Amino acid sequence: QVQLQESGPGLVKPSETLSLTCSVSGGSIRNYDWSWIRQPPGKGLEWIGNVHYSGSTNYNPSLKSRVTISVDTSKNQFSLALNSVTAADTAVYYCARQEVMYGDYETYYYYLDVWGTGTTVTVSS
Amino acid sequence: DVQMTQSPSSLSASVGDRVTITCRASQNIGSILNWYQHKPGKGPKLLIYAASSLQSGAPSRFSGSGYGTEFILTIDNLQPEDLATYYCQQCYSFPRTFGQGTKVEIK
Repeated sequence: QVQLQESGPGLVKPSETLSLTCSVSGGSIRNYDWSWIRQPPGKGLEWIGNVHYSGSTNYNPSLKSRVTISVDTSKNQFSLALNSVTAADTAVYYCARQEVMYGDYETYYYYLDVWGTGTTVTVSS
Repeated sequence: DVQMTQSPSSLSASVGDRVTITCRASQNIGSILNWYQHKPGKGPKLLIYAASSLQSGAPSRFSGSGYGTEFILTIDNLQPEDLATYYCQQCYSFPRTFGQGTKVEIK
């Protein structure tokens, strides 16, 4: 059974870089896309971006200029770097696996089927 | 971006009730729509994918329907453990977007 675990500093200073890692256990990181999602206090879920095990990425345009998501297949991990952080980046950060089901007429059904428990990151001096 | 709008934002129902949550997309997304259950302190849990397919391990009292721009999550026979916030999400296009959430409380 695949499990995901986020790790990284819980406190980051304004203007610095937030760096998190998601460790994948119980299965291979290969053949999937891997996502980062966050939830600011009192708000809903926001998709940050994803990375394919080959290294190709997709980012939310609202964060694209500050985000880098990368994958390390040798360590079965993927990572998030968010630079120039402000208090607005304070949130619980989740990693998740994106699965795909192939349907009729070349329709691809994507969904996030495995999630980590989340890690809280506070941006404060 | 595809905007996802859920209603209601919160509801209170009794054990055994049928509960329905609506999710509307700002454009046609076919059936590429997922539902998640989120409890405090935990990661969200996938309930429904492809609008109506029940995820393995999810209770059968959860069901999904809809196509295009309007979707419904139904909880039959509401149970105390269903206390949570429920989110819809479209994976039709990038960026993936979520509804704002519906908080379900038990009377």
